[in-house]
Amino acid sequence: EVQLVESGGGLVKPGGSLRLSCAASGFTFSSYSMTWVRQAPGKGLEWVSSIGSSSGYIYYADSVKGRFTISRDNAKNSLFLEMNSLRGEDTAVYYCARESGSSPDDFDCWGQGTLVTVSS
Amino acid sequence: AIQLTQSPSSLSASVGDRVTITCRASQDISSALSWYQQKPGKAPKLLIFDVSGLETGVPSRFSGSGSGTDFTLTISSLQPEDFASYYCQQFDNYPLTFGGGTKVEIK
Repeated sequence: EVQLVESGGGLVKPGGSLRLSCAASGFTFSSYSMTWVRQAPGKGLEWVSSIGSSSGYIYYADSVKGRFTISRDNAKNSLFLEMNSLRGEDTAVYYCARESGSSPDDFDCWGQGTLVTVSS
Repeated sequence: AIQLTQSPSSLSASVGDRVTITCRASQDISSALSWYQQKPGKAPKLLIFDVSGLETGVPSRFSGSGSGTDFTLTISSLQPEDFASYYCQQFDNYPLTFGGGTKVEIK
């Protein structure tokens, strides 16, 4: 069964840092591009960042560029999002998602999400 | 960045109704558009890929159409389990973008 499980969310003060992880199983992780998507409370979906299967390309939304860093460890079937200089507007559920095919593409598998709350 | 405008933002419908949701792109995205369903507290689920492709396991009452800048998601006969929010997404180029969403509620 294809599965993505996020972890690392929590409460952090403005200006603080947090590292999210996404553990993948049930598929050949190293063959797929991966993405982080977030959803602020009561709001819609916002693409955050994508990384190629072998980290050959990385893209960020303007709203997080320079503050967030996406990375992956194919040997450990894991995706990461390092978040620095966090702001209130970064408060959201963060989902990791698998891109279906050749990038850019849609997302055929999603994790359950991890909540990040930025508040003093 | 390519903007996606969904309409309506919400609608009320009855079981058995035919429901249509539209998504308009700010520029031509060819067929690089997909649709997702999201229920409260759950992750989004891919319904339709490449404008009209039905994802495995998705009921045939869901269909998608369109090209260029104008796209449509249709539910031919609304079922109780279809009450949810729906989002379009373009993958023509980065930054990837989503529509604002359409909440389908019970009338």
